[in-house]
Amino acid sequence: ETGVTQTPRHLVMGMTNKKSLKCEQHLGHNAMYWYKQSAKKPLELMFVYSLEERVENNSVPSRFSPECPNSSHLFLHLHTLQPEDSALYLCASSQTGALSGADTQYFGPGTRLTVL
Amino acid sequence: GQNIDQPTEMTATEGAIVQINCTYQTSGFNGLFWYQQHAGEAPTFLSYNVLDGLEEKGRFSSFLSRSKGYSYLLLKELQMKDSASYLCAVRDSNYQLIWGAGTKLIIKP
Repeated sequence: ETGVTQTPRHLVMGMTNKKSLKCEQHLGHNAMYWYKQSAKKPLELMFVYSLEERVENNSVPSRFSPECPNSSHLFLHLHTLQPEDSALYLCASSQTGALSGADTQYFGPGTRLTVL
Repeated sequence: GQNIDQPTEMTATEGAIVQINCTYQTSGFNGLFWYQQHAGEAPTFLSYNVLDGLEEKGRFSSFLSRSKGYSYLLLKELQMKDSASYLCAVRDSNYQLIWGAGTKLIIKP
């Protein structure tokens, strides 16, 4: 168990739907991350939150909207998605998210998203 | 641009040894990570190297050569449960993590 949970594990949605992904970490970490993982491609960092402030947004389309109400919870709100957004969405957390080489990220099991 | 190269897929036999290579070109270096990811599961942390040399953790070892931009993950006494993808990631001078596409390791009996 990595101490990072994600719900739902699987999600199928139409292009006009609105849904949310939820992530919770039980590790007492201060930084949380959203990644997109597509087959045979490197992990793509989407958003970073450190102490509940968004510190990074890697040119992600506005149809993805993150929310971090506290240091233990992270949401990814989805609306008007495209079929190419189908992927595994991974949440991760780390101790500091700050300028530390050894700051290790711990991942949740991901949400497998399919957009029809 | 920044780049991490790993073989796409490798096959090995149960009980044997396998070495998974990772080469990188990044703007600066602040450490290299290896993760294991079973199909449909979370990537799990295996190792972190920031200095040159070999770090051993049980059946798994990780090696780093900063001058060559090269690392490898060595798995000994392979077991069927080692069938997974292995992800290499480098932290650059801005402390960003640059990820490789992963190596899928298939273990055969």
